[in-house]
Amino acid sequence: GAGVSQSPRYKVTKRGQDVALRCDPISGHVSLYWYRQALGQGPEFLTYFNYEAQQDKSGLPNDRFSAERPEGSISTLTIQRTEQRDSAMYRCASSLFSAGGRGVEDTQYFGPGTRLTVL
Amino acid sequence: AQSVTQLGSHVSVSEGALVLLRCNYSSSVPPYLFWYVQYPNQGLQLLLKYTSAATLVKGINGFEAEFKKSETSFHLTKPSAHMSDAAEYFCAVSFNSGNTPLVFGKGTRLSVIA
Repeated sequence: GAGVSQSPRYKVTKRGQDVALRCDPISGHVSLYWYRQALGQGPEFLTYFNYEAQQDKSGLPNDRFSAERPEGSISTLTIQRTEQRDSAMYRCASSLFSAGGRGVEDTQYFGPGTRLTVL
Repeated sequence: AQSVTQLGSHVSVSEGALVLLRCNYSSSVPPYLFWYVQYPNQGLQLLLKYTSAATLVKGINGFEAEFKKSETSFHLTKPSAHMSDAAEYFCAVSFNSGNTPLVFGKGTRLSVIA
């Protein structure tokens, strides 16, 4: 079956341009997470959704970063006025159940990531 | 708050040798612990997870990990390394069983020498 897909797989942009990164979760998965992974580091949480509702955006670095999931399926992470420090791998994950409650067994399934390079 | 420390950014073993990848955690609540593996050009794949049941957890591809509360550790082991085990391994913690954002370590790259 289809896993989590992300597009584009690679994006090179110039400083100051806006970029939109797309995540298509596993069909039927309720929760969707965005992580960012710098070179030589582990993934760091950015934000997550249950259905179309953004539950936690505490990991977004600043107000140039935003995310949406308008129909509770595909999500877009947008970075405005990109800077060189935004260069990283951006990873998306989805899970079956609604995130946030303790005691629910679940697994996050990750996509292949989008490698963003800002020149 | 939770945090994870992976000792050794790069581990090299001979084919057939024991694999030991170290992970120590810090958590203010009973933790849930995970090991993920990343093969080149692929997404992160769950190897195994500890969710407060048995302290010795068996995962895919012959890997296992033991939760030791007294040592705040969750080290990953495999008795005999295969060439196909060469990848990057990430330890992660959350206060839920995969149902909340994960906090990852920096990762350990495993090389397997023929």
